[in-house]
Amino acid sequence: GAGVSQSPRYKVTKRGQDVALRCDPISGHVSLYWYRQALGQGPEFLTYFNYEAQQDKSGLPNDRFSAERPEGSISTLTIQRTEQRDSAMYRCASSLTRSEQFFGPGTRLTVL
Amino acid sequence: GENVEQHPSTLSVQEGDSAVIKCTYSDSASNYFPWYKQELGKRPQLIIDIRSNVGEKKDQRIAVTLNKTAKHFSLHITETQPEDSAVYFCAAGDAGNKLTFGGGTRVLVKP
Repeated sequence: GAGVSQSPRYKVTKRGQDVALRCDPISGHVSLYWYRQALGQGPEFLTYFNYEAQQDKSGLPNDRFSAERPEGSISTLTIQRTEQRDSAMYRCASSLTRSEQFFGPGTRLTVL
Repeated sequence: GENVEQHPSTLSVQEGDSAVIKCTYSDSASNYFPWYKQELGKRPQLIIDIRSNVGEKKDQRIAVTLNKTAKHFSLHITETQPEDSAVYFCAAGDAGNKLTFGGGTRVLVKP
């Protein structure tokens, strides 16, 4: 079946613009996670959802970052007033209950 | 919060030799320890995982051991092959919850 998908795969934006990154999890997966991965480093947790409920947002760097999953399926990570330091690979993952996390291909965000 | 340390950061082995990667974690509440393999330009993919009620798990050439008392776990790859070359990440957390990843180990298997 289809794996986790993310769009866009690449996003180039200017400093100060807002961006929205989309994650489409594996069908039926309860949990959805957002991570940020710097080049050569491990994924860094941002936030996660069970169904539509945001369970933990402790990894969001500041209040410019927000995420939602209104119908318990697709999720959007929004970054307002982007800054150069936001440039990174943003990955989402999904899982069944208490099970393996499957990662998506990521969105490479570049803030000029 | 959880903190995961991973060593070594790079590992070069001859084809056919074994590779061992070690991780330590800080939060005694962590009960799930997956290992991911990430090839260049690709997404991380789970290769093996272990839960805290098990001390060792093996899948063909790959094995993972867990010492909960010492808060460390290790990945063992035997009979390494060139296709094992990749970056490997350990992680710790609660299954169904967030994962904290180590810094990664770049493994190079020389033919």
